[in-house]
Amino acid sequence: DTAVSQTPKYLVTQMGNDKSIKCEQNLGHDTMYWYKQDSKKFLKIMFSYNNKELIINETVPNRFSPKSPDKAHLNLHINSLELGDSAVYFCASSRGAGNLYGYTFGSGTRLTVV
Amino acid sequence: KQEVTQIPAALSVPEGENLVLNCSFTDSAIYNLQWFRQDPGKGLTSLLLIQSSQREQTSGRLNASLDKSSGRSTLYIAASQPGDSATYLCAVSGGGSNYKLTFGKGTLLTVNP
Repeated sequence: DTAVSQTPKYLVTQMGNDKSIKCEQNLGHDTMYWYKQDSKKFLKIMFSYNNKELIINETVPNRFSPKSPDKAHLNLHINSLELGDSAVYFCASSRGAGNLYGYTFGSGTRLTVV
Repeated sequence: KQEVTQIPAALSVPEGENLVLNCSFTDSAIYNLQWFRQDPGKGLTSLLLIQSSQREQTSGRLNASLDKSSGRSTLYIAASQPGDSATYLCAVSGGGSNYKLTFGKGTLLTVNP
């Protein structure tokens, strides 16, 4: 199936650990994103990559480091996890800036830091 | 800075009722507006995408309208069903912020059988 897929779906970890979330899209899109949905269900952009280049970095702590090895993948690595990092992280993709065809989202990764 | 507001925050209706969800945005210089549905613990499913040059889009029982100049969109759901129960999110692209969507906080819809 064509889609945006994220792994893992659930992630429970202790404070101070380092973890990664992976995202892959097979839609042929050239732009990928990470969004964070907090406990109040509010979705906000974190990063955007276009053709493997970082184009948006929305005042996210530098403990969060995105990596795009190719156009189809955008991974999120988080160092020294804190309780406040608990949230649902969504990966998304679009063709270009999403102006013409909109955005496609993955099913999310629920991160719980204990 | 683009801001998106959705009203009401929650809505409960009996099955079969027609309903309207509202979305407003502060910067009218948008490229498009997208309505999503989010089921509990699930991802976002795109429902309708309206380009800035369009007035409305329809898909089945759903109709979304866009009034770009006034910064408003509505999502009309006809003959609601219990399966329509979900959170509906409105998001806009553009408005001075390219390559990203700005979301509203959503409307939690409950359709009672």
